[in-house]
Amino acid sequence: QVQLVESGGGLVKPGGSLRLSCAASGFRFSDFYMSWIRQAPGKGLEWLSYISTRGTNTAYADPAKGRFTISRDDRSNLVYLQMDNLRAEDTALYYCARGGGSAIDRWGQGTMVTVSS
Amino acid sequence: QSVLTQPPSTSGTPGQTVTISCSGSSSNIGSNTVTWYQHLLGAAPILLIFGSYNRPSGVPDRFSGSTSGTSASLAISGLRSEDEADYYCATWDNSLSAWVFGGGTKVTVL
Repeated sequence: QVQLVESGGGLVKPGGSLRLSCAASGFRFSDFYMSWIRQAPGKGLEWLSYISTRGTNTAYADPAKGRFTISRDDRSNLVYLQMDNLRAEDTALYYCARGGGSAIDRWGQGTMVTVSS
Repeated sequence: QSVLTQPPSTSGTPGQTVTISCSGSSSNIGSNTVTWYQHLLGAAPILLIFGSYNRPSGVPDRFSGSTSGTSASLAISGLRSEDEADYYCATWDNSLSAWVFGGGTKVTVL
């Protein structure tokens, strides 16, 4: 069955960096767009970025532009989110999800990122 | 402030029908199909409706979606205790070139 497992979250100081990873299984990874979505404590869902098949196209929400970079490795069925210059407001549960060019249809359990000094 | 507007909460008794609205604009709901998700605390969100009214296999037909102009709705009929969760609408916004979500609606089963 479809599985998405995020990793790489943790505690980081303001201005620091983290790279989140998402391991996908149970489907033909290379055929799907992939997205990252987050949920800050007590807040709603916020889409951050998608990457197309073969990584030819990417898109970012305003909070991610210029600081976050999405990438993928189709040989290893992995999608990444490189996050730089992190701020307190980036504290959230970060979800990896399948889709983005059309409906986002499967989600992982999330990895928690806390930005604090 | 979310681009898509949902009521923060709604409630119903078992067996009732509750409807959740999602209001947008011509650049999002007015131009693109809507997806709906169910989100239980501590779990991964689950796709309930895609293409505005289509249910993935495994989603009960108690859940139904509809759209009208720049608004969408999710109806839950035959409300059950296990339906108590947060529900989110989402769609692509052509002006923002981004996926946008509603703020979420908490459904309480009384």
